Amino acid sequence: DAGITQSPRHKVTETGTPVTLRCHQTENHRYMYWYRQDPGHGLRLIHYSYGVKDTDKGEVSDGYSVSRSKTEDFLLTLESATSSQTSVYFCAISSNRESTEAFFGQGTRLTVV
Amino acid sequence: AQKVTQAQTEISVVEKEDVTLDCVYETRDTTYYLFWYKQPPSGELVFLIRRNSFDEQNEISGRYSWNFQKSTSSFNFTITASQVVDSAVYFCALSEPPNQGGKLIFGQGTELSVKP
Repeated sequence: DAGITQSPRHKVTETGTPVTLRCHQTENHRYMYWYRQDPGHGLRLIHYSYGVKDTDKGEVSDGYSVSRSKTEDFLLTLESATSSQTSVYFCAISSNRESTEAFFGQGTRLTVV
Repeated sequence: AQKVTQAQTEISVVEKEDVTLDCVYETRDTTYYLFWYKQPPSGELVFLIRRNSFDEQNEISGRYSWNFQKSTSSFNFTITASQVVDSAVYFCALSEPPNQGGKLIFGQGTELSVKP
């Protein structure tokens, strides 16, 4: 299995509070991604990173920010959580080599009440 | 814009039946990659196959087979002699080449239920 770990695995938080999800990899892969999974939508890209301090927005980036200060860590922050951000969040990593696929973390179930 | 459509939201079959999951994609890129992922009830995403746009050969892996047809922009997935353990949500996805970031566009998923 690819070395990718998400923390926490489950979290319940109140509306308006900040939340940070962490993705940690041991594969030294260049690319890291945050997706959210919602019924009827599949997985949608929130933010991604090409390398340290090199990030960009995805399809559903409003209300989220990211940071990547080290190759192995990619943080997703909800500055002020809302109920619409209740979802399952997946981190993924991939290399820029042609032969690799994206590896996904176990997912984080976030509930905003 | 890139888009992946999995028109079948739910499929229910009886064990040992064959089942085909449909996937239709849209892209203006000439180089792209197609994937299938499996999400069992435990929730993790399991990679099944990756196919690049220049390789239209069908692929078979045990009971699984994939039919890639560029002419119809389809990448369908067939499970032969289905088993209860095949029950899961299956996602088709499209991505740009890895050296361009490899971002994935997912379909909505097809929930397959295989009953004994």
